[in-house]
Amino acid sequence: QLQLQESGPGLVKPSETLSLTCTVSGGSIRSSSFYWGWIRQPPGKGLEWIGSIYYSGSTYYNPSLKSRVTMSVDTSKNQFSLKLTSVTAADTAVYYCARQYSLNWFDPWGQGTLVTVSS
Amino acid sequence: QSALTQPPSASGSPGQSVTISCTGTSSDVGAYNYVSWYQQHPGKAPKVMIYEVSERPSGVPDRFSGSKSGNTASLTVSGLQAEDEADYYCSSYAGSNNLVFGGGTKLTVL
Repeated sequence: QLQLQESGPGLVKPSETLSLTCTVSGGSIRSSSFYWGWIRQPPGKGLEWIGSIYYSGSTYYNPSLKSRVTMSVDTSKNQFSLKLTSVTAADTAVYYCARQYSLNWFDPWGQGTLVTVSS
Repeated sequence: QSALTQPPSASGSPGQSVTISCTGTSSDVGAYNYVSWYQQHPGKAPKVMIYEVSERPSGVPDRFSGSKSGNTASLTVSGLQAEDEADYYCSSYAGSNNLVFGGGTKLTVL
């Protein structure tokens, strides 16, 4: 079945750029039926949608993060990526990637990766 | 866009039913039938339980049901079981290619 796995540094310094990659296995990222999304969850807090990308490269970002977010897709590697610039401690969170249906609901999700912003 | 409003906590005894609300606005919950609900156990990734207000993915017990009235969506868990104890989050399409989540509800099975 489809599986997603996040990867990237677990520690990022303030003001630097957070970079994560999601590798999709068990299915193609080129499917016309789905989008691919990033969601984050600060420790002990709720979920926040970061943004989504279509295999063609079309992107959709949370307005509150739009100025700092860039998402990209590499269909040859079946991966999509997230970059978040100028990070602060408030960006410390578990970051999840997930398959998204019609810019709507997410299923399945990756296991998540904790990114801590600290000097 | 603001987060959807959920009660911080809910509880019920085994076998009982509990309903969790998710209140938005006429720009998100009230405007679209694109409300979904997620269950999250501690240390685990969220799992979709309901999508498009009341649809259940394959494998989700029919004890879980969803509905919507106006700007408020609801998740009802019937016949509560110990394993239903978890955090629950709602989300809604909010127009202009935006998505918003609720703040989450901690469900306790007494």
